[in-house]
Amino acid sequence: GAVVSQHPSWVICKSGTSVKIECRSLDFQATTMFWYRQFPKQSLMLMATSNEGSKATYEQGVEKDKFLINHASLTLSTLTVTSAHPEDSSFYICSARDLLAGDSHEQYFGPGTRLTVT
Amino acid sequence: KQEVTQIPAALSVPEGENLVLNCSFTDSAIYNLQWFRQDPGKGLTSLLLIQSSQREQTSGRLNASLDKSSGRSTLYIAASQPGDSATYLCAVRGLGTYKYIFGTGTRLKVLA
Repeated sequence: GAVVSQHPSWVICKSGTSVKIECRSLDFQATTMFWYRQFPKQSLMLMATSNEGSKATYEQGVEKDKFLINHASLTLSTLTVTSAHPEDSSFYICSARDLLAGDSHEQYFGPGTRLTVT
Repeated sequence: KQEVTQIPAALSVPEGENLVLNCSFTDSAIYNLQWFRQDPGKGLTSLLLIQSSQREQTSGRLNASLDKSSGRSTLYIAASQPGDSATYLCAVRGLGTYKYIFGTGTRLKVLA
């Protein structure tokens, strides 16, 4: 089946630094990837939709200058958390939609990246 | 704006029991609904996907039903096992979008 990977699986960074999270579709091409955030004991909240070759679409309340998304190829999207602060500590999950699967296709979810900002 | 709610928020049952998890959504104009399992600190595992035209889907001991008009879905787990302990999330995809709106989750604990 389709596999989506994320790297790193966990990361600890100091407040004020930036951290990049990668989301890769391993055996299919994804024109669209989605980035979700999950705070402890809460559900997933969609942050943004990443479109290959174009700008990402951000959900209301998500700072686009803080969460930089780049989708430069059909198999890779990156989320960069800039000037991270402890309140950005969260579990970040991506999902990818198969280019060739048509409208009915569902998203494949990555294993998530746990970010801790100290 | 679509809102997805799951009841109960947490559930603890002895092994072997049959149980039902509930999911409700406010906007019935959905494309499909999906149930996921999430183990602590892990990603999502898709369990069942129900298209809007379907009434139910089954996989092993799991059965999910969908009543779109009333905005409800249930996940039935038969003969629960300790390995079923996890958080169960339902998510709905609206018409004309690929976005999923996730529910609040039900944390299930099956006691041996």
